[in-house]
Amino acid sequence: EVQLLESGGGLVQPGGSLRLSCAASGFTFTSYAMSWVRQAPGKGLEWVSGISGGGGSTYYAGSVKGRFTISRDNSKNTLYLQMNSLRGEDTAVYFCARVNGGNLNWFDPWGQGTLVTVSS
Amino acid sequence: QSALTQPASVSGSPGQSITISCTGTSSDVGGYHYVSWYQQHPGKAPKLMIYEVNNRPSGVSHRFSGSKSGNTASLTISGLQAEDEADYYCVSYTSSSILVFGGGTMLTVL
Repeated sequence: EVQLLESGGGLVQPGGSLRLSCAASGFTFTSYAMSWVRQAPGKGLEWVSGISGGGGSTYYAGSVKGRFTISRDNSKNTLYLQMNSLRGEDTAVYFCARVNGGNLNWFDPWGQGTLVTVSS
Repeated sequence: QSALTQPASVSGSPGQSITISCTGTSSDVGGYHYVSWYQQHPGKAPKLMIYEVNNRPSGVSHRFSGSKSGNTASLTISGLQAEDEADYYCVSYTSSSILVFGGGTMLTVL
């Protein structure tokens, strides 16, 4: 069974940093691009970042470019999102998702999400 | 990159059909076949319903279908059922090599 399990969320002060992880199982991790998608409380979905299967290509939404860094460790089947200079508007549930059909195409499956709260 | 435009809400009675639109530009929806749709129930992770405009994954009901005309993609749900009540989101690849979501549509089954 394909599974994605996020971790690393929590409460952080504005300007602080946090690293999210997404542990993957049940599929050949290196064969798939991955993405992070977030959802602020009561709001819609927002694509945050993506990375190719080998890790050589990365993509970012304008709202996080220069502050967030996506990476992956294919030996550990784990996806990461390093978040720096966090702002209140970064408060959201962060989902990781496997990308199918290329580096930036459809998401299936999704993890259950991890909550990041940016507040003093 | 602006979000794709979806109606905030739609509603229908059991057994009826509804269509949710997703309007973008020639730089996203209109320019690529990479539009997908997701269903999200409260407190749950999104679920893939349609990929690449009009393809339905295995396990998704045949009542769900997708299409595209110009810069607008559409999700149609036929034979509405109570379990279809959820939020629905479209997403498209863009010419800026990023992805953009629609604002989401809340479907109410009356």
